[in-house]
Amino acid sequence: DAKTTQPTSMDCAEGRAANLPCNHSTISGNEYVYWYRQIHSQGPQYIIHGLKNNETNEMASLIITEDRKSSTLILPHATLRDTAVYYCIVRASSNTGKLIFGQGTTLQVKP
Amino acid sequence: GAGVSQSPSNKVTEKGKDVELRCDPISGHTALYWYRQSLGQGLEFLIYFQGNSAPDKSGLPSDRFSAERTGGSVSTLTIQRTQQEDSAVYLCASIPDRPWETQYFGPGTRLLVL
Repeated sequence: DAKTTQPTSMDCAEGRAANLPCNHSTISGNEYVYWYRQIHSQGPQYIIHGLKNNETNEMASLIITEDRKSSTLILPHATLRDTAVYYCIVRASSNTGKLIFGQGTTLQVKP
Repeated sequence: GAGVSQSPSNKVTEKGKDVELRCDPISGHTALYWYRQSLGQGLEFLIYFQGNSAPDKSGLPSDRFSAERTGGSVSTLTIQRTQQEDSAVYLCASIPDRPWETQYFGPGTRLLVL
């Protein structure tokens, strides 16, 4: 699975959009981009995933660049409850499915 | 519906003792994963069960660790002769069917080895 690079931490004002970047320059054609988050003392929570098209669901939007070497997770209106560690994971659909979590980005939403 | 549950939520044990951690996946989910997370670290894959296939044990750190999944549902992770470095949060996740689908995580078991 391709390696991902994320900033260690970010701050965001409550009510503003939070844009979390992820670099995955070695991504292969069959690899998906997944985002999970982990709120303190809880298990990870799935947010969204995509292959090459931009995706949106009730939680977030995922923007993947045309060359697929980077992506951005967007939380349109961040709340204090969105404070968490956000993990960007790149994984092929053909492997056993284990997720390789890096250090992620710690997002602090401030009032 | 009910999510993934794990028990106990917290476990304190003495070095050298054996511990068993339990995971109840979402009903009908065919695949189950165990991960562990040490303080301030990302998740570390331990073992993966998919239906009746042989489990992927490639992440187990030593032969003191073992896991089983009975009847394709409940799973137990056993750590024998626990060591202080085994202290971590042990997380279980289940998925509906195909390995690349969304993983649903339980709340974890916090293990502290004294």
